[in-house]
Amino acid sequence: DAKTTQPNSMESNEEEPVHLPCNHSTISGTDYIHWYRQLPSQGPEYVIHGLTSNVNNRMASLAIAEDRKSSTLILHRATLRDAAVYYCILSVYNNNDMRFGAGTRLTVKP
Amino acid sequence: DSGVTQTPKHLITATGQRVTLRCSPRSGDLSVYWYQQSLDQGLQFLIQYYNGEERAKGNILERFSAQQFPDLHSELNLSSLELGDSALYFCASSVGPSDYNEQFFGPGTRLTVL
Repeated sequence: DAKTTQPNSMESNEEEPVHLPCNHSTISGTDYIHWYRQLPSQGPEYVIHGLTSNVNNRMASLAIAEDRKSSTLILHRATLRDAAVYYCILSVYNNNDMRFGAGTRLTVKP
Repeated sequence: DSGVTQTPKHLITATGQRVTLRCSPRSGDLSVYWYQQSLDQGLQFLIQYYNGEERAKGNILERFSAQQFPDLHSELNLSSLELGDSALYFCASSVGPSDYNEQFFGPGTRLTVL
């Protein structure tokens, strides 16, 4: 099964951009890349997902490498509310077994 | 508020017992997913139902079972409970059956097995 590798933790200053990396060197052509985040004492929350092209939504941007072996979640201006564990997940096409790893714990400093 | 509700919020029980966790999906969502989050295993996908039928299965133990009812709510049954089953159990829902649909997670049920 394709796996993802993320740094255990990252720090950012408030109002600055944050780039959260994810490596997925064994990704297959039909695997989707999903990002979810989990705020303290809450269930995970969808952030963004993509297949091949870069994606933007109101929360973040997802930059996918041309070979799809890595991706980066970009928070354009971090706020204190963005402090959470961010999970990069691959899902096998038509198989809904989304495998969450340990994620990256993002700390945002005022 | 994701629109997904889970009851109860907390559950304390003893080893060997059986419990039922309940989930109501967002209005209009046909898929329900169950996840287990423990300190040592992280967040693990257990099972998915779509419109009343089992759609995908993850790391669900044989002691655990689930179903989705005609009104689309779902129940996760955990039996012969062990200490290691203590965890947060999350339910999520999505509109369609596939993994590229955004999943909306509920607040979770915290199960403590003593």
